[in-house]
Amino acid sequence: AQSVTQPDIHITVSEGASLELRCNYSYGATPYLFWYVQSPGQGLQLLLKYFSGDTLVQGIKGFEAEFKRSQSSFNLRKPSVHWSDAAEYFCAVGLDTGRRALTFGSGTRLQVQP
Amino acid sequence: DTGVSQDPRHKITKRGQNVTFRCDPISEHNRLYWYRQTLGQGPEFLTYFQNEAQLEKSRLLSDRFSAERPKGSFSTLEIQRTEQGDSAMYLCASSSLAGGHRETQYFGPGTRLLVL
Repeated sequence: AQSVTQPDIHITVSEGASLELRCNYSYGATPYLFWYVQSPGQGLQLLLKYFSGDTLVQGIKGFEAEFKRSQSSFNLRKPSVHWSDAAEYFCAVGLDTGRRALTFGSGTRLQVQP
Repeated sequence: DTGVSQDPRHKITKRGQNVTFRCDPISEHNRLYWYRQTLGQGPEFLTYFQNEAQLEKSRLLSDRFSAERPKGSFSTLEIQRTEQGDSAMYLCASSSLAGGHRETQYFGPGTRLLVL
């Protein structure tokens, strides 16, 4: 069965600093990969997705992510963090066959210091 | 563009009571999903519908849980004889069949359930 690991439970960065959130997956074939963001008490908003092709994908709010097959990773990056980026970030894996459900990591909580 | 909506947003109930949640997907989305999210965790899949057919159920979906999508539009999730362990955020998502396997799930705001 596929699994998703987000090694960092909590990250604190200063406003204006760069950000990288890590995501590693376990799956035998190429998965479909997603990053979602969740503000407190809210649902999940899609930041970006990867299905195939260019391994560097751009998303909303200035976020990007890079798929690295050799490392089974899909890390999320942003060059300059804004205070409004403080939220919880979830990496998710979908499959290209069979099961339709997404498998989520346990999330990384981002705190932004002024 | 209307997103996924869920009602109610919050529900407080006493142990043993039944509760029902509603989800309205994005218009014309064929697939509808229910997930459960407990504090500090990512969402976990419960069940999904393609049109009105319930095609997959997780082992998390005990026999106290039932979901319906009678006309292939909105869906309801009912929990009977609630237990304190049912306290969680219940998230609904929808997606279009048009993308085939390359589907993107769009989530609603969730219903937060607290069982006292």
